[in-house]
Amino acid sequence: QSALTQPASVSGSPGQSITISCTGTSSDVGSYNLVSWYQQHPGKAPKLMIYEVSKRPSGVSNRFSGSRSGNTASLTISGLQAEDEADYYCCSYAGFSTYVFGTGTKVTVL
Amino acid sequence: QVQLQESGPGLVKPSGTLSLTCAVSGGSISSTNWWTWVRQPPGKGLEWIGEIYHSGNTNYNPSLKSRVTISVDKSKNQFALKLSSVTAADTAVYYCSRKRCSGGSCSWFDPWGQGTLVTVSS
Repeated sequence: QSALTQPASVSGSPGQSITISCTGTSSDVGSYNLVSWYQQHPGKAPKLMIYEVSKRPSGVSNRFSGSRSGNTASLTISGLQAEDEADYYCCSYAGFSTYVFGTGTKVTVL
Repeated sequence: QVQLQESGPGLVKPSGTLSLTCAVSGGSISSTNWWTWVRQPPGKGLEWIGEIYHSGNTNYNPSLKSRVTISVDKSKNQFALKLSSVTAADTAVYYCSRKRCSGGSCSWFDPWGQGTLVTVSS
């Protein structure tokens, strides 16, 4: 059970859109619509941003959206804002009642 | 609104056992949710440790399964983590969380406790 692969860092200017990829295998991301995304600010607990690939919890800005194609899931942040600067982690169901997180991506707002 | 709070020793000796508790408030641990532990070594990513249902059913990360025990205490509305034979590699912030369900599938974690740092050192 290996961690899902995410780019180490992604950056963008305020107002721009960025996309974070999360690549797994046919045993996890590719087999289930059970990918979630978490935002983590320094020294804070993770916060749920997206669940079941593309669903947004109540209270999360509609600037955050998720999708999946094959073994890769993606999180897109549109209209990038300074407050979006944080680490982002994907997570997928990996079968046999287990879960695997991504390696994490640091988002920098230029 | 469910809230979670981790507690336990912040320092554990190598080869010892790490023991943490997660207190659940604002809801019953006997609700239809699974209760989860996740850890994060300093400066590194998140790792799913395992989960428990109020019935006592558990699921563990295969890489940790031989050393992990998760238990539930319904009378205290809390659940616990024990990790044995710890080494410096087990130094991490440990989070507890609730796994949410929808339409029969359960896969996302919300909310999370604030986390507690456990250092393994002599």
